[in-house]
Amino acid sequence: DSGVTQTPKHLITATGQRVTLRCSPRSGDLSVYWYQQSLDQGLQFLIQYYNGEERAKGNILERFSAQQFPDLHSELNLSSLELGDSALYFCASSASGTSGRKTQYFGPGTRLLVL
Amino acid sequence: AQKITQTQPGMFVQEKEAVTLDCTYDTSDQSYGLFWYKQPSSGEMIFLIYQGSYDEQNATEGRYSLNFQKARKSANLVISASQLGDSAMYFCAMREGFNFGNEKLTFGTGTRLTIIP
Repeated sequence: DSGVTQTPKHLITATGQRVTLRCSPRSGDLSVYWYQQSLDQGLQFLIQYYNGEERAKGNILERFSAQQFPDLHSELNLSSLELGDSALYFCASSASGTSGRKTQYFGPGTRLLVL
Repeated sequence: AQKITQTQPGMFVQEKEAVTLDCTYDTSDQSYGLFWYKQPSSGEMIFLIYQGSYDEQNATEGRYSLNFQKARKSANLVISASQLGDSAMYFCAMREGFNFGNEKLTFGTGTRLTIIP
């Protein structure tokens, strides 16, 4: 158990809908990262938050947005869903600091299926 | 160019044998970190081992070791005495630079390892 929790584990929805994925980082971790894992794109970095502020952005679609709340949990919002958004969405967290040894610990993922 | 290349899509290894999973990387940064993660069929991503670009010794964690050859830009994972529970996808990943705002991991396409009893 990495200490990172994600809910829900599975989500089935229809095209055009909006969903929210939730993540709680490991105790004490200030950084939260979101990744998408799909068959055609592999594992891709979406966005990072550090202590409530957006820190870095990757290949995140404009239809997707995220935020990190004062209690450090994070939510990833996916809207106007398309079939191609079906994927496994991971949240990861890491300790603060500039050490390269800062390991990202992953949550169990949310498996999204868009029908 | 691919930042992380894993050339073995799948491998079959006899139980108790050692196995080497290949990973080459491409970066112009002097400071970088290399990670290996395991993804069992259940889907979670499990951190295995880390190697920093300035680390002089190869990293080891139990049965896992990392064969780091900086000049060749390779960071191969070695699993000694493989077990049935080692059957999984294995991903090599890199973090370029150690600054804030530059912490994303770039992943390879993975190697599916199957341990044969």
